[in-house]
Amino acid sequence: EIVMTQSPVTLSVSPGERATLSCRASQSVSSNLAWYQRKPGQAPRLLIYGASTRATGVPPRFSGSGSGTDFTLTISSLQSEDFAVYYCQQYINWPTFGGGTKVEI
Amino acid sequence: QVQLQESGPGLVKPSETLSLTCTVSGVSITTYYWSWIRQPPGKGLEWIGFFYYSGSTNYNPSLKSRVTISLDTSKNQFSLKLSSVTAADTAVYYCARDMGATIFDYWGRGTLVTVSS
Repeated sequence: EIVMTQSPVTLSVSPGERATLSCRASQSVSSNLAWYQRKPGQAPRLLIYGASTRATGVPPRFSGSGSGTDFTLTISSLQSEDFAVYYCQQYINWPTFGGGTKVEI
Repeated sequence: QVQLQESGPGLVKPSETLSLTCTVSGVSITTYYWSWIRQPPGKGLEWIGFFYYSGSTNYNPSLKSRVTISLDTSKNQFSLKLSSVTAADTAVYYCARDMGATIFDYWGRGTLVTVSS
C-alpha cells in the first residue's frame, strides 16, 4: 500500500492570501496524483489530476505541481468558497488518499 | 448534469451485511467505471472497489473477501454489499464515477452507516 501524507493538517489563511498544501507519497507515483476539495454536506470535487491538470470548470487559481513523491496544491488567492478540506490521492496502483488538509480562516 | 445519490440503511448490526445503492442520473452506468469509497469517523478516505458494466471488478485488497459491487442497468444503479461488518466499518460511504485510472470526477454526498447492536 502506498501511504500518502499531507501537511499541514490545518492551514489558517486569510481571503486573498496564497495557500500551499503539500502531499508526499511513500514511494514514487510518477504523476498519478489527484487533488479533491470537500465542503461540509457536499460531494467531494475533483480539482486536479495528472498532478497538474485542472479538472473541467476548476478556476485557474488552483494549480498542482510535483512528480515522484512530492506534490503541491497551490491556491493563488483564496476566495471565501475555497475554505474546505483538501485531499490528495495516488492512482498508480490501487488508490489511496492522504489524511487531508483543512484550509480555514 | 451527472449526479450520484447514495441510499440504504443508516444502522447495521455487527456480523450482518451492509447494503447500499447508488442511483446515477445524467449518464448511463454502462459507460465508465463506478466506485465506492468510505471515510470512517476521524480517519482518511478509503477506496473500496470498482465495477465496470462488462463485469470487470477490482477491490481493495484489505476488503476484498467481504465486498461485492454490482450494477443494475435497468435502474441505472450500482450497489455495494459488505459482509460480516464490525464497528470498524462505521463510516460515511460515497459512490463515485471513475473517469479512468481510478480518478473520481463525480461523487455523491455520502451516507453515514453505523454498525451497532
